[in-house]
This record gives sequence, structure tokens and C-alpha cells, in this order.
Amino acid sequence: EDQVTQSPEALRLQEGESSSLNCSYTVSGLRGLFWYRQDPGKGPEFLFTLYSAGEEKEKERLKATLTKKESFLHITAPKPEDSATYLCAVQAWSQAGTALIFGKGTTLSVSS
Amino acid sequence: GAGVSQSPRYKVAKRGQDVALRCDPISGHVSLFWYQQALGQGPEFLTYFQNEAQLDKSGLPSDRFFAERPEGSVSTLKIQRTQQEDSAVYLCASSPTGLAGGTYEQYFGPGTRLTVT
Repeated sequence: EDQVTQSPEALRLQEGESSSLNCSYTVSGLRGLFWYRQDPGKGPEFLFTLYSAGEEKEKERLKATLTKKESFLHITAPKPEDSATYLCAVQAWSQAGTALIFGKGTTLSVSS
Repeated sequence: GAGVSQSPRYKVAKRGQDVALRCDPISGHVSLFWYQQALGQGPEFLTYFQNEAQLDKSGLPSDRFFAERPEGSVSTLKIQRTQQEDSAVYLCASSPTGLAGGTYEQYFGPGTRLTVT
């Protein structure tokens, strides 16, 4: 069964304190791994897509990496505006392979 | 440019009532998805349309849930005889390509928060 597990569930950081969020996945065949940001009361906002092990993508203070079993979202020198829930999702090469399978998310709080 | 829009943003229904939730995808997007998000959980897949064809409805929790996209653009998710366990945020997402088009990110709307009392 395709599955995504994110850790930790919640993370509190001081402004400027770098850290990483983990996304472990099991999937029959990975079509793509996606990172989204979700603010309270809003829909998920797309951040990154990763397709193969070894791939990395960056956007401002965020950097996403991918191995065959997990992905990391590295946050460098976070600011309070980075506070949000970060969702990881996979898309599998299966009969109904377009649906995204999400983890429960990591809620990040950054204080000044 | 305009993103995915959903209406209403909030809906309160009494148990047993029927509700209809609307999704306007990004113009020209081939694929449209519905997800259900319970409090503190990630979104869970409900159903998928490629243009007007409903190709996957494996995530619909019961036969009380019905979705349509008759002209390949706007979609409606209908829930009949609502139950308390239907309370959740219903998210719509669209993507520019279909099944054969490779892997593309899905763009989400703001969601409709349904509360069944």
C-alpha cells in the first residue's frame, strides 16, 4: 500500500534556527514527490516537485531533497512568515496514478 | 491569473440535507481532483476527472457522494443525506495535463468547509 509519513508532527523554531522536516514514503513506483505549504483556512500551495533520487530544488529559504525512501525539506534561517503546515505527497505509477497521497503534515512555528 | 476557486467557502447543513459544492478550475486545465481534508490530517483523494470523464472515483466514501464535470470545466461535488462524519474541508485541485501528460503539480483552491449539525 502506498503510504507517506511525515515527522515531526510539530516543530517550534526560533527565528534564524535552521532545521529539516522529514517525509518517508513507500510507493509501488514513484511518479513524483510534492511539497506543499498550507496556511490556516487556505488550500495547499505548491512548493516543489521531485522526480528521482538525488534531485534537489531550492526556493528562497527552502530546499527539498529526495532519496529512494525519503525526502527532506530543509529550512535555512527561518522567519516568522515561514510558519505554516508543510505537506508532503507522492504520486504513483499505478492504474489511478494521478491522485496525490498526502502525509499528515508538519506544523512549523517560527518565533521572533 | 485566476487560480482555482470554490464556492461556497463555508456551508452549514443539518443532518440529512443535500449539499452541492462548486469548483472552478484554472482555465484550460484538463485534470480536476476532489479531496477531503479532516482537521489535523492531510487531504485524502475522492475522485478524478480528465475533461468531462470521471476516470477514478475510488476515494468516494459512500454512494451518497456524487461528482460531475459535464462540460469539462466547472465541477460539482454533491453529498446527499449529509451525516456528521461528512464534516470536513473539501478541496478541489486542477492540473494542466491528463493521465498521459507526465507528472505535473496540482493547484488547489481554498476549499469549502462543510459542517454538518
